[in-house]
Amino acid sequence: TQLLEQSPQFLSIQEGENLTVYCNSSSVFSSLQWYRQEPGEGPVLLVTVVTGGEVKKLKRLTFQFGDARKDSSLHITAAQPGDTGLYLCAGDVADDKIIFGKGTRLHILP
Amino acid sequence: DAGVIQSPRHEVTEMGQEVTLRCKPISGHDYLFWYRQTMMRGLELLIYFNNNVPIDDSGMPEDRFSAKMPNASFSTLKIQPSEPRDSAVYFCASSPSRTPTGTDTQYFGPGTRLTVL
Repeated sequence: TQLLEQSPQFLSIQEGENLTVYCNSSSVFSSLQWYRQEPGEGPVLLVTVVTGGEVKKLKRLTFQFGDARKDSSLHITAAQPGDTGLYLCAGDVADDKIIFGKGTRLHILP
Repeated sequence: DAGVIQSPRHEVTEMGQEVTLRCKPISGHDYLFWYRQTMMRGLELLIYFNNNVPIDDSGMPEDRFSAKMPNASFSTLKIQPSEPRDSAVYFCASSPSRTPTGTDTQYFGPGTRLTVL
């Protein structure tokens, strides 16, 4: 069974701090996506990474795909209350299955 | 664009009753996905359709669950009979492509929160 493990499960930090959340698996992914989900809404895509070692930036968010395409990280610089939400990673595996991690629930304190 | 539309937004029912969840995908999208989200199991893919045809229903938990897509603009997920363990948030998503590579993405609806008493 292919699994995506996300860590930490919960994270609460002060506004202005930096943080990193992780998405790990023993499986290789042809691509990996990060979504953010706010209460009462569906997940919204933030980024897709395809190439091993790829780094993508979205304002204060930096996404990295591991060289072996088995893991990924999301780094947020100077976190703001608007960053609060559930961050989900999703992997597109070779047989076209899409699997989601359980997510990291992030809370930024003002 | 209206985005993916789901109804109802909330459903409370009693064990044994039939529940029907509805979804209208984004016009022009060829793929439609049904997911279930719980704290314990996260977001699980139940079934997906391509051009109205069910492609993979291996995530459907039991025969009590069924899904249909009679046309490109409408899909239903039915649970009959419902059980308390079916309580979850059910999401519908649509996509112009099955594999989310490159700029392709899944667009999620707001979800239906189902509570089975």
